[in-house]
Amino acid sequence: GAVVSQHPSRVICKSGTSVKIECRSLDFQATTMFWYRQFPKQSLMLMATSNEGSKATYEQGVEKDKFLINHASLTLSTLTVTSAHPEDSSFYICSARGTPNEQFFGPGTRLTVL
Amino acid sequence: AQSVSQHNHHVILSEAASLELGCNYSYGGTVNLFWYVQYPGQHLQLLLKYFSGDPLVKGIKGFEAEFIKSKFSFNLRKPSVQWSDTAEYFCAVINQAGTALIFGKGTTLSVSS
Repeated sequence: GAVVSQHPSRVICKSGTSVKIECRSLDFQATTMFWYRQFPKQSLMLMATSNEGSKATYEQGVEKDKFLINHASLTLSTLTVTSAHPEDSSFYICSARGTPNEQFFGPGTRLTVL
Repeated sequence: AQSVSQHNHHVILSEAASLELGCNYSYGGTVNLFWYVQYPGQHLQLLLKYFSGDPLVKGIKGFEAEFIKSKFSFNLRKPSVQWSDTAEYFCAVINQAGTALIFGKGTTLSVSS
């Protein structure tokens, strides 16, 4: 099946710094990628939809200036958490759309902000 | 707004027991429904999906799910669970715009050998 990778898998940073997370579709091209956030013992919450070559679409309540998304190519989308604070600590998961209405998920990135 | 509810937060079973995990969705129109599994330390994997046709859907690893439109349900079943089925299970539906997945809160399944 289609493979999606994320890098890094785990990151610890100081409060106030910015962190970039990469999401790559390894064996297929994805015009659309998605970024989710998962809190402990809770569901995945969609943060934004990333479309190649255009601006991302953010879900209500997600700060677009804080969570910068770039989808510069058909295989790469990046999420940058700017000026991270402890409340941004979470598990961030990306997915890429392959065949219509089927998404393939990355392994996730655990972000810890001290 | 669309939503997905999973009734069971944590299910504990012995090996060979039968499994049924409940899932209900709120949207009344055409739905695309999914069950995903997340094994410990691994990423989400698709178990099965329903788009149209036969409401009884067979997935991988012996799982199946039945779409019952009148009940807005898409319950996951397996006749005999194994220890290796221990995982987190998520029900999901495509949103009305057809662009993204809406997930339920997940059910943790623990199977003892």
